[in-house]
Amino acid sequence: KAGVTQTPRYLIKTRGQQVTLSCSPISGHRSVSWYQQTPGQGLQFLFEYFSETQRNKGNFPGRFSGRQFSNSRSEMNVSTLELGDSALYLCASRRSGSSYNEQFFGPGTRLTVL
Amino acid sequence: DAKTTQPPSMDCAEGRAANLPCNHSTISGNEYVYWYRQIHSQGPQYIIHGLKNNETNEMASLIITEDRKSSTLILPHATLRDTAVYYCIVRPRNMYSGGGADGLTFGKGTHLIIQP
Repeated sequence: KAGVTQTPRYLIKTRGQQVTLSCSPISGHRSVSWYQQTPGQGLQFLFEYFSETQRNKGNFPGRFSGRQFSNSRSEMNVSTLELGDSALYLCASRRSGSSYNEQFFGPGTRLTVL
Repeated sequence: DAKTTQPPSMDCAEGRAANLPCNHSTISGNEYVYWYRQIHSQGPQYIIHGLKNNETNEMASLIITEDRKSSTLILPHATLRDTAVYYCIVRPRNMYSGGGADGLTFGKGTHLIIQP
């Protein structure tokens, strides 16, 4: 069974631009979560989607948004990029009925903002 | 969530068992112990979890002390590909990410280096 896939793997943008990242969960997984990981702040929760509905949201500004499609694929968007948005963005999915703590992570998208 | 303490780094010879300790002295009765690892430039990988009994799967074994204040993750025959940062977290077995700013959070973890 294929794992969680994320595209693109690497991205370079400039301040003020916007970016859209894509995530395809493991087949059959309906819950998708997004995380930001930086050396200074570690792993930080962005949001969780389940059946096309945002179930929970972390403490990030409104520039960070996401959505989930009927096939469980998810996208996240960051508008008006700032230098501090440079990070590894991780998508994770889990099986229905399993604990939220048992996540399957993708390889991440490395975003660099210049 | 209960706080965990892990050594910042450990070395282990290839082919030997790697034993990674984790202290969680403030763990609550409903909190599980979860282990993840993150290989350089990859996403975190779930390894194993347990409540109070020892657990084993194809990747590792988890030994939890009787008072549940500490645990040990055991990689029975470490290979070079096991070099990674290993994270121990304790959390209730939430079915959802929880209310408010939640989700998984990792501490500094243990950087395990497998030596050839």
